[in-house]
Amino acid sequence: DAGITQSPRHKVTETGTPVTLRCHQTENHRYMYWYRQDPGHGLRLIHYSYGVKDTDKGEVSDGYSVSRSKTEDFLLTLESATSSQTSVYFCAISGEANEQFFGPGTRLTVL
Amino acid sequence: GEDVEQSLFLSVREGDSSVINCTYTDSSSTYLYWYKQEPGAGLQLLTYIFSNMDMKQDQRLTVLLNKKDKHLSLRIADTQTGDSAIYFCALGKYIFGTGTRLKVLA
Repeated sequence: DAGITQSPRHKVTETGTPVTLRCHQTENHRYMYWYRQDPGHGLRLIHYSYGVKDTDKGEVSDGYSVSRSKTEDFLLTLESATSSQTSVYFCAISGEANEQFFGPGTRLTVL
Repeated sequence: GEDVEQSLFLSVREGDSSVINCTYTDSSSTYLYWYKQEPGAGLQLLTYIFSNMDMKQDQRLTVLLNKKDKHLSLRIADTQTGDSAIYFCALGKYIFGTGTRLKVLA
């Protein structure tokens, strides 16, 4: 298994509160990604990073920000959580053929 | 934008072959991928095919790519109950289909 961990694994929060999800990799990969998974939508890319302090937006980036201050850590922040951000969030890294290796996911519920 | 379509459900009997289909609109991807997701887990890479190939076989898995029709399929031979999961096709790095839920009946 690729060395990818996510924390927390589960979180329940209230509308309007800030939330930060963490992804940690031990593979020293350059590219890291954040996705959300919702029924009927498959996986949708939120943000990705191509190196320390280098990030870019994905398909569904509104309401999310990211930071990458070290190669091994990629943080996803919801500045003010909304109920529409209730989802399962996956972090991934990519290999030589751009194949994705996923973390175990974080289930976020916004009440 | 890119569009990747999969049927939602597939049910097969144990020991039969399963064929999961995927159609797409964007043909510029160098690689096309199949992933498996078991309940409560992240996606796991099963196999991938280079875009200039028509077929790839990997043990019980066969991937067929028809570039003309923009159609990708995954065949699982001798399907087992442990193959029950959601299967996603993907183009390039981060364009995923909606997933096909495979149920294997004993």
